[in-house]
Amino acid sequence: DIQMTQSPSTLSASVGDRVTITCRASQSISNYLAWYQQKPGKAPKLLIYRASNLASEVPSWFSGSGSGTEFTLTIGSLQPDDFATYYCQQYHTSWTFGQGTRVEIK
Amino acid sequence: EVQLLESGGNLVQPGGSLRLSCAASGFTFSDYAMSWVRQAPGKGLEWVAAVSASGQTTYFADSVKGRFSISRDDSKNTVFVQMNSLRADDAAVYYCARLYSGNYPFFDYWGQGALVTVSS
Repeated sequence: DIQMTQSPSTLSASVGDRVTITCRASQSISNYLAWYQQKPGKAPKLLIYRASNLASEVPSWFSGSGSGTEFTLTIGSLQPDDFATYYCQQYHTSWTFGQGTRVEIK
Repeated sequence: EVQLLESGGNLVQPGGSLRLSCAASGFTFSDYAMSWVRQAPGKGLEWVAAVSASGQTTYFADSVKGRFSISRDDSKNTVFVQMNSLRADDAAVYYCARLYSGNYPFFDYWGQGALVTVSS
């Protein structure tokens, strides 16, 4: 099974900050990597697929990069609505999620 | 607008059974594989099961293999998960999710979730 590891688990930041979340796969997954945003009590929302492709209606300050085993999600300028938990997910072999990164207000 | 609406969540005793339904609208249901993903209270996301667009092929996480089944009724635009021999660690919010078409499908739309509680 492919394991996904995110870091950090929690991140404290302020509005306007540039934020980067890292996701590592236990083996190469090419670029079959998605990122999701989840707010408390809500369903996850797709942000990025194929490592760097923005999903529909996702703000342009979100970006993704990486391939193989190392990936990053960058929020270029953190907005009030962006405080949430973010999950990476590989879909190269079955489907596996990272443990999540909670972005909280500093 | 794509919409997925889960139902059937409930309190069930350990060893019991439950069937969740997910009614889909806003897209051609028969063109898409569908899946269930769960989230235990305060925990992360765990993929549970998937069914192909044709309904011919099903996939299960090791944690539920042999206890859960997944099916679909294209005439009703609905996907189901039948959960048997439920255990305390099956307690979670169960999300229905659409799998984006392609050789490597990912979850592009999610329902609001159905709460399953397993307790005596």
